[in-house]
Amino acid sequence: ETGVTQTPRHLVMGMTNKKSLKCEQHLGHNAMYWYKQSAKKPLELMFVYNFKEQTENNSVPSRFSPECPNSSHLFLHLHTLQPEDSALYLCASSQEGSSYNEQFFGPGTRLTVL
Amino acid sequence: QKEVEQDPGPLSVPEGAIVSLNCTYSNSAFQYFMWYRQYSRKGPELLMYTYSSGNKEDGRFTAQVDKSSKYISLFIRDSQPSDSATYLCAMSASSGGSNYKLTFGKGTLLTVNP
Repeated sequence: ETGVTQTPRHLVMGMTNKKSLKCEQHLGHNAMYWYKQSAKKPLELMFVYNFKEQTENNSVPSRFSPECPNSSHLFLHLHTLQPEDSALYLCASSQEGSSYNEQFFGPGTRLTVL
Repeated sequence: QKEVEQDPGPLSVPEGAIVSLNCTYSNSAFQYFMWYRQYSRKGPELLMYTYSSGNKEDGRFTAQVDKSSKYISLFIRDSQPSDSATYLCAMSASSGGSNYKLTFGKGTLLTVNP
């Protein structure tokens, strides 16, 4: 595996379900991000982890719960979601301390909440 | 006023045309400017990166930044059907040393017709 991988690629869940999204980066980076991409809206930064520590929570509802057990893995735990949470969820990673913050993105998980 | 404005298109051009994609922004602190390309069912990938004002050329692609007008552009010469994708502008206000946020535009959907 190379780059940034995400599983599952597609997820359909009911509002009462609990599911988790997984991201893994194979680039040796130390910063990881969750973004939400909705139609006709800019990418919305949700969470940032730097050396496994959460450094940004962009006013995300508590029904989204991130977890970063190590610098290579990032999870997004989902529970009691709403239909408006349906979107493409993108994971990204970057190298802290680089001259500019090039973020490498995974292919995303397409989430549909019924 | 939104921090970054980008016309979502869609934009449809014939093969070989010159394409111009643009973003305007309001935050004068932005100094790093990026263009990401996102193919269907894929995550965004960095296409061009520019620091402060000026031009940068890479093959058929030219990025321009005019900080006095708060306006950035991406030009694609001799456009090819393989250039068909969504193009996202992104910008940030600080450099390495600590994580920082990228602020994205909505993206412009480009189709190059053979």
